[in-house]
Amino acid sequence: GQNIDQPTEMTATEGAIVQINCTYQTSGFNGLFWYQQHAGEAPTFLSYNVLDGLEEKGRFSSFLSRSKGYSYLLLKELQMKDSASYLCAVRRPGGGNKLTFGTGTQLKVEL
Amino acid sequence: NAGVTQTPKFRILKIGQSMTLQCTQDMNHNYMYWYRQDPGMGLKLIYYSVGAGITDKGEVPNGYNVSRSTTEDFPLRLELAAPSQTSVYFCASSPSADNSPLHFGNGTRLTVT
Repeated sequence: GQNIDQPTEMTATEGAIVQINCTYQTSGFNGLFWYQQHAGEAPTFLSYNVLDGLEEKGRFSSFLSRSKGYSYLLLKELQMKDSASYLCAVRRPGGGNKLTFGTGTQLKVEL
Repeated sequence: NAGVTQTPKFRILKIGQSMTLQCTQDMNHNYMYWYRQDPGMGLKLIYYSVGAGITDKGEVPNGYNVSRSTTEDFPLRLELAAPSQTSVYFCASSPSADNSPLHFGNGTRLTVT
């Protein structure tokens, strides 16, 4: 089976940096995705890691350590519009590109 | 491109009624999915399809059925609605490459009373 853990809520200040952690215990691993979901909207893709290390995309970066079953999403220069839920998802082995999602981390950005 | 389109956006059903949630995509993606999202829970996979004519169960398929007669459409059928099926339903699609992200529709909010 797959078990994915994320903090439920986080609060950070506009302009700051925040790190959202995700740990997973899985019977197989074929990559990890991060999605952003604003309230009442669809999830949108942020990043993908399949090898160990850091992937940087503008203000957002994502890190993966397969040996530790650990990933984090780093958001820099926080803006109010970054207030959203951030979903960690692990791709299951086998065909079909199926994802198992964590429960999401609700990030609140304050002035 | 419209992407992934779901209808309806909202629906209220009485217990025992049936309905079909519609999903269509115009990106020529082979893979399509149905997820449900409940408060405090992660997205749970209901059914998925890797191509026209092929469907398979996900984590929580009970009470649902799907069909995939074309590449574009992947409807989800609820036969006997139950209160436990109150949820937000998301349809998604992706290309068949391994690192392809899922593209989600805007969701259908369903209430069963």
